Amino acid sequence: DAGVIQSPRHEVTEMGQEVTLRCKPISGHDYLFWYRQTMMRGLELLIYFNNNVPIDDSGMPEDRFSAKMPNASFSTLKIQPSEPRDSAVYFCASSFSGYSNQPQHFGDGTRLSIL
Amino acid sequence: QQPVQSPQAVILREGEDAVINCSSSKALYSVHWYRQKHGEAPVFLMILLKGGEQKGHEKISASFNEKKQQSSLYLTASQLSYSGTYFCGTSDAGNNRKLIWGLGTSLAVNP
Repeated sequence: DAGVIQSPRHEVTEMGQEVTLRCKPISGHDYLFWYRQTMMRGLELLIYFNNNVPIDDSGMPEDRFSAKMPNASFSTLKIQPSEPRDSAVYFCASSFSGYSNQPQHFGDGTRLSIL
Repeated sequence: QQPVQSPQAVILREGEDAVINCSSSKALYSVHWYRQKHGEAPVFLMILLKGGEQKGHEKISASFNEKKQQSSLYLTASQLSYSGTYFCGTSDAGNNRKLIWGLGTSLAVNP
């Protein structure tokens, strides 16, 4: 079975540019999570969706970040404008039902570098 | 409140045992354990729920001490493949869908 698919795997862009990260969750999973990982702060939950509806976006750092889930098989995380401090690995994860006894399955991540 | 993992790093020889701890200042509902190898995605190991204990796979097991709000991950007879960074993610009863992650424990197993 296909796992969580993220694209691109690597992104290098200049400060001020718009960045769009994409995620395809595992088919049948109804929860989708966006995380950011850095050495200093570890894994941080940015936002999560249930049945395509954003449930908790309290982790989104600021208005420059936005996320959408137009359908059950696709989600985007957008940064506009990007800044060097946004450089990190961004992971998407999905789970079934989202209850605590269900694991989250992670994609391979997008390594983002803002110059 | 981010859970605290200890130790931050462990170096083992193949066949040795290790214990990794995850402590929280909040009442926990669940603890998730994951392993991440460099440049890869975190991979699920096991989940422990309040009131229960679940053994994952191979020679890796874990416990959940509700009184101490702490979980411990036990790796016995370590193998080279156990190398990586181990993360715990915790949830509380207020929102058991939302995981807060520790900063990780780096484990290196040498021949």
